[in-house]
Amino acid sequence: QVQLLESGPGLVKPSETLSLTCTVSDFSISTSNYYWGWVRQPPGKGLEWIGSIYHNGNTYYMPSLKSRVTISVDASKNQFSLNLTSVTASDTAVYYCARLPSSSWILDQFDYWGQGSLVTVSS
Amino acid sequence: SYELTQPLSVSVALGQTARITCGGDKIGSKNVHWYQQRPGQAPVVVIYRDSNRPSVIPERFSGYNSGNTATLTISGAQGEDEATYYCHVWDRSTVIFGGGTRLTVL
Repeated sequence: QVQLLESGPGLVKPSETLSLTCTVSDFSISTSNYYWGWVRQPPGKGLEWIGSIYHNGNTYYMPSLKSRVTISVDASKNQFSLNLTSVTASDTAVYYCARLPSSSWILDQFDYWGQGSLVTVSS
Repeated sequence: SYELTQPLSVSVALGQTARITCGGDKIGSKNVHWYQQRPGQAPVVVIYRDSNRPSVIPERFSGYNSGNTATLTISGAQGEDEATYYCHVWDRSTVIFGGGTRLTVL
């Protein structure tokens, strides 16, 4: 059973950088045909994709966030990470990490999710 | 950019059939995935690639996709099906989510 667990600060000040790490258990992050992604959900609102990464470093980002987002992977630790710069109150959300099968450059469903990590942006 | 349109809410009587739609331009040409999210929990995929159901998901969940509309059907809705449902597609190297539909089981 694949397990994902988000970790990082629960409170970030405006204009600073939000950093989260997702640790994957019982499945190698380097397995072919799987991407790894971040999805967020502001309080009381819907799901918003942030971006996804392959173990070789190939990334896809949400266009509206691309200028502020970096997703990286550390295969030796079986982890991938999210950095979101210049945060504002509108970046307050539950941040989920998840796994996506892929084939022929198409990313499929998010089949395993972490429990989510609430990050609040406030001074 | 590509948009997915879902009704804000759907109500269904206990044991009856609920249908939740997801509209998008030529969505029938894309793979559609559906998630169930209960309050305070992470989403769970209930249908993937239009009509495939994970083994842990009850048989009452089914999906269909054609033309400009994808539909999630719950046949014989149960109280535990009360949740918010999201559709999702992959379009031009971007993950797109629908706005979500709140299902109420009466």
